[in-house]
Amino acid sequence: GEDVEQSLFLSVREGDSSVINCTYTDSSSTYLYWYKQEPGAGLQLLTYIFSNMDMKQDQRLTVLLNKKDKHLSLRIADTQTGDSAIYFCAPGGDSGAGSYQLTFGKGTKLSVIP
Amino acid sequence: ETGVTQSPTHLIKTRGQQVTLRCSSQSGHNTVSWYQQALGQGPQFIFQYYREEENGRGNFPPRFSGLQFPNYSSELNVNALELDDSALYLCASSLGLYNEQFFGPGTRLTVL
Repeated sequence: GEDVEQSLFLSVREGDSSVINCTYTDSSSTYLYWYKQEPGAGLQLLTYIFSNMDMKQDQRLTVLLNKKDKHLSLRIADTQTGDSAIYFCAPGGDSGAGSYQLTFGKGTKLSVIP
Repeated sequence: ETGVTQSPTHLIKTRGQQVTLRCSSQSGHNTVSWYQQALGQGPQFIFQYYREEENGRGNFPPRFSGLQFPNYSSELNVNALELDDSALYLCASSLGLYNEQFFGPGTRLTVL
Protein backbone atom coordinates (compact mmCIF):
# COMPACT_ATOMS: atom_id res chain seq x y z
CA GLY A 1 0.00 0.00 0.00
CA GLU A 2 0.86 3.67 -0.03
CA ASP A 3 3.63 4.87 2.25
CA VAL A 4 4.15 8.53 3.19
CA GLU A 5 7.28 9.93 4.82
CA GLN A 6 7.83 13.34 6.37
CA SER A 7 10.44 14.82 8.68
CA LEU A 8 9.03 14.80 12.20
CA PHE A 9 10.14 18.27 13.30
CA LEU A 10 10.85 21.70 11.80
CA SER A 11 11.73 24.86 13.67
CA VAL A 12 11.76 28.33 12.05
CA ARG A 13 11.89 31.94 13.15
CA GLU A 14 8.83 34.13 12.82
CA GLY A 15 8.87 35.93 9.47
CA ASP A 16 11.03 33.29 7.75
CA SER A 17 9.76 30.81 5.19
CA SER A 18 9.02 27.22 6.20
CA VAL A 19 9.39 24.30 3.82
CA ILE A 20 7.81 20.98 4.75
CA ASN A 21 8.75 18.01 2.59
CA CYS A 22 6.94 14.76 1.90
CA THR A 23 7.72 11.65 -0.13
CA TYR A 24 5.15 9.05 -1.13
CA THR A 25 5.16 5.75 -2.96
CA ASP A 26 1.88 5.47 -4.90
CA SER A 27 2.33 7.09 -8.30
CA SER A 28 -1.40 6.74 -9.08
CA SER A 29 -2.41 9.40 -6.52
CA THR A 30 -4.72 11.85 -8.25
CA TYR A 31 -4.87 14.67 -5.71
CA LEU A 32 -2.32 15.37 -2.98
CA TYR A 33 -3.48 17.31 0.05
CA TRP A 34 -1.94 19.29 2.89
CA TYR A 35 -3.70 19.34 6.24
CA LYS A 36 -2.91 21.27 9.44
CA GLN A 37 -3.68 19.92 12.91
CA GLU A 38 -3.50 22.07 16.01
CA PRO A 39 -3.26 20.41 19.46
CA GLY A 40 -6.40 18.49 20.39
CA ALA A 41 -8.18 19.44 17.17
CA GLY A 42 -9.26 17.85 13.92
CA LEU A 43 -7.57 18.35 10.57
CA GLN A 44 -7.93 21.57 8.61
CA LEU A 45 -7.59 21.33 4.83
CA LEU A 46 -4.99 23.88 3.75
CA THR A 47 -4.53 23.27 0.06
CA TYR A 48 -4.15 20.54 -2.54
CA ILE A 49 -2.60 19.94 -5.93
CA PHE A 50 -3.77 17.83 -8.83
CA SER A 51 -1.24 15.25 -9.95
CA ASN A 52 -0.78 16.76 -13.42
CA MET A 53 0.37 20.09 -11.95
CA ASP A 54 3.84 20.88 -10.66
CA MET A 55 3.08 24.01 -8.68
CA LYS A 56 0.16 25.72 -6.99
CA GLN A 57 0.19 29.01 -5.12
CA ASP A 58 -2.48 29.97 -2.61
CA GLN A 59 -1.73 33.22 -0.73
CA ARG A 60 1.17 32.40 1.64
CA LEU A 61 1.20 28.75 0.62
CA THR A 62 3.10 27.26 -2.31
CA VAL A 63 2.87 23.57 -3.16
CA LEU A 64 5.49 21.95 -5.36
CA LEU A 65 5.04 18.48 -6.82
CA ASN A 66 7.80 16.41 -8.42
CA LYS A 67 5.82 13.47 -9.69
CA LYS A 68 8.85 11.67 -11.09
CA ASP A 69 10.54 11.63 -7.66
CA LYS A 70 7.20 11.33 -5.79
CA HIS A 71 8.12 14.38 -3.74
CA LEU A 72 5.71 17.02 -2.48
CA SER A 73 6.55 20.16 -0.55
CA LEU A 74 4.63 22.92 1.20
CA ARG A 75 6.21 26.33 1.54
CA ILE A 76 4.73 28.79 4.01
CA ALA A 77 5.89 32.36 3.41
CA ASP A 78 6.26 34.84 6.30
CA THR A 79 5.65 32.14 8.92
CA GLN A 80 3.69 33.33 11.95
CA THR A 81 3.36 31.90 15.47
CA GLY A 82 -0.19 30.87 14.56
CA ASP A 83 1.30 28.52 11.98
CA SER A 84 2.72 26.34 14.76
CA ALA A 85 0.99 22.97 14.33
CA ILE A 86 1.44 19.52 12.84
CA TYR A 87 1.29 19.38 9.04
CA PHE A 88 0.29 16.27 7.15
CA CYS A 89 0.65 15.55 3.49
CA ALA A 90 -2.00 13.11 2.29
CA PRO A 91 -1.99 11.62 -1.18
CA GLY A 92 -5.45 10.51 -2.26
CA GLY A 93 -6.01 7.40 -4.29
CA ASP A 94 -8.20 4.41 -5.00
CA SER A 95 -7.78 1.74 -2.36
CA GLY A 96 -8.37 -1.03 -4.87
CA ALA A 97 -11.53 -1.93 -2.98
CA GLY A 98 -13.56 0.90 -4.50
CA SER A 99 -12.97 3.62 -1.92
CA TYR A 100 -11.00 6.81 -2.37
CA GLN A 101 -8.85 7.21 0.70
CA LEU A 102 -6.23 9.54 2.03
CA THR A 103 -2.96 8.08 3.29
CA PHE A 104 -1.15 10.02 6.00
CA GLY A 105 2.38 9.95 7.32
CA LYS A 106 3.24 10.83 10.90
CA GLY A 107 3.21 14.54 10.14
CA THR A 108 5.74 17.34 10.61
CA LYS A 109 5.54 19.38 13.78
CA LEU A 110 6.30 23.00 12.90
CA SER A 111 7.49 25.21 15.75
CA VAL A 112 7.70 28.94 15.11
CA ILE A 113 10.11 30.88 17.32
CA PRO A 114 8.99 34.46 18.02
CA GLU B 1 -22.99 26.41 6.10
CA THR B 2 -22.37 24.01 9.02
CA GLY B 3 -19.15 22.06 8.97
CA VAL B 4 -18.60 18.47 10.00
CA THR B 5 -19.62 17.78 13.58
CA GLN B 6 -18.89 14.77 15.78
CA SER B 7 -20.24 13.54 19.09
CA PRO B 8 -19.34 12.92 21.78
CA THR B 9 -16.14 14.97 22.17
CA HIS B 10 -14.61 12.59 24.70
CA LEU B 11 -15.51 9.11 25.84
CA ILE B 12 -14.08 6.69 28.39
CA LYS B 13 -14.87 2.98 28.15
CA THR B 14 -13.49 -0.23 29.59
CA ARG B 15 -12.11 -3.23 27.74
CA GLY B 16 -14.78 -5.44 26.22
CA GLN B 17 -17.42 -2.73 26.04
CA GLN B 18 -19.00 -1.39 22.87
CA VAL B 19 -19.06 2.21 21.65
CA THR B 20 -20.94 4.25 19.04
CA LEU B 21 -19.50 7.46 17.63
CA ARG B 22 -21.55 9.88 15.53
CA CYS B 23 -20.76 12.19 12.65
CA SER B 24 -22.88 14.77 10.84
CA SER B 25 -21.54 15.54 7.42
CA GLN B 26 -21.27 18.99 5.90
CA SER B 27 -24.44 20.10 4.14
CA GLY B 28 -24.79 18.43 0.73
CA HIS B 29 -21.94 15.96 1.26
CA ASN B 30 -22.90 12.37 0.48
CA THR B 31 -19.62 10.64 1.38
CA VAL B 32 -18.25 10.03 4.87
CA SER B 33 -14.85 8.52 5.66
CA TRP B 34 -13.69 7.45 9.12
CA TYR B 35 -10.09 7.54 10.34
CA GLN B 36 -8.35 6.45 13.52
CA GLN B 37 -5.50 8.58 14.83
CA ALA B 38 -3.40 7.03 17.59
CA LEU B 39 -1.27 9.34 19.72
CA GLY B 40 1.72 10.66 17.79
CA GLN B 41 0.60 9.05 14.53
CA GLY B 42 -1.14 10.17 11.38
CA PRO B 43 -4.76 9.20 10.75
CA GLN B 44 -5.42 5.71 9.38
CA PHE B 45 -8.33 4.96 7.08
CA ILE B 46 -11.01 2.74 8.64
CA PHE B 47 -13.79 2.77 6.03
CA GLN B 48 -15.85 4.96 3.75
CA TYR B 49 -19.60 5.30 3.22
CA TYR B 50 -21.11 6.56 0.00
CA ARG B 51 -24.87 6.95 -0.39
CA GLU B 52 -25.54 4.68 2.61
CA GLU B 53 -23.31 1.82 1.43
CA GLU B 54 -19.86 0.85 2.72
CA ASN B 55 -17.47 1.68 -0.08
CA GLY B 56 -14.19 0.16 0.99
CA ARG B 57 -12.36 -0.47 4.22
CA GLY B 58 -8.82 -0.22 5.50
CA ASN B 59 -6.94 -2.75 7.58
CA PHE B 60 -9.37 -2.88 10.52
CA PRO B 61 -11.13 -5.98 11.94
CA PRO B 62 -14.89 -6.61 11.54
CA ARG B 63 -15.59 -5.41 15.10
CA PHE B 64 -15.28 -1.96 13.54
CA SER B 65 -18.54 -1.37 11.71
CA GLY B 66 -20.55 1.58 10.53
CA LEU B 67 -23.73 2.97 9.09
CA GLN B 68 -24.72 5.88 6.95
CA PHE B 69 -28.23 7.30 7.18
CA PRO B 70 -30.43 8.85 4.45
CA ASN B 71 -29.38 12.34 5.59
CA TYR B 72 -25.74 11.16 5.08
CA SER B 73 -24.85 11.34 8.77
CA SER B 74 -22.87 8.34 9.92
CA GLU B 75 -22.04 6.15 12.91
CA LEU B 76 -18.92 4.19 13.76
CA ASN B 77 -19.43 1.22 16.08
CA VAL B 78 -16.64 -0.63 17.79
CA ASN B 79 -17.36 -3.89 19.64
CA ALA B 80 -15.22 -5.72 22.20
CA LEU B 81 -13.05 -2.69 22.87
CA GLU B 82 -9.32 -3.24 23.32
CA LEU B 83 -6.77 -0.96 24.98
CA ASP B 84 -5.22 -0.23 21.55
CA ASP B 85 -8.51 1.23 20.36
CA SER B 86 -7.71 4.32 22.45
CA ALA B 87 -7.33 7.06 19.83
CA LEU B 88 -8.84 10.14 18.23
CA TYR B 89 -11.55 9.07 15.78
CA LEU B 90 -12.03 11.47 12.91
CA CYS B 91 -14.73 11.57 10.33
CA ALA B 92 -14.46 13.46 7.08
CA SER B 93 -17.18 14.32 4.60
CA SER B 94 -16.89 15.10 0.92
CA LEU B 95 -19.19 16.14 -1.90
CA GLY B 96 -18.44 12.91 -3.76
CA LEU B 97 -15.98 10.07 -3.71
CA TYR B 98 -13.12 12.00 -5.30
CA ASN B 99 -13.61 15.44 -3.78
CA GLU B 100 -11.77 17.16 -0.94
CA GLN B 101 -12.40 15.64 2.48
CA PHE B 102 -13.32 18.02 5.31
CA PHE B 103 -12.70 16.74 8.81
CA GLY B 104 -14.66 17.11 12.00
CA PRO B 105 -13.04 17.87 15.37
CA GLY B 106 -12.87 14.20 16.33
CA THR B 107 -13.94 12.03 19.26
CA ARG B 108 -11.24 11.16 21.79
CA LEU B 109 -11.84 7.56 22.96
CA THR B 110 -9.99 6.22 25.98
CA VAL B 111 -10.22 2.50 26.75
CA LEU B 112 -9.21 1.48 30.28
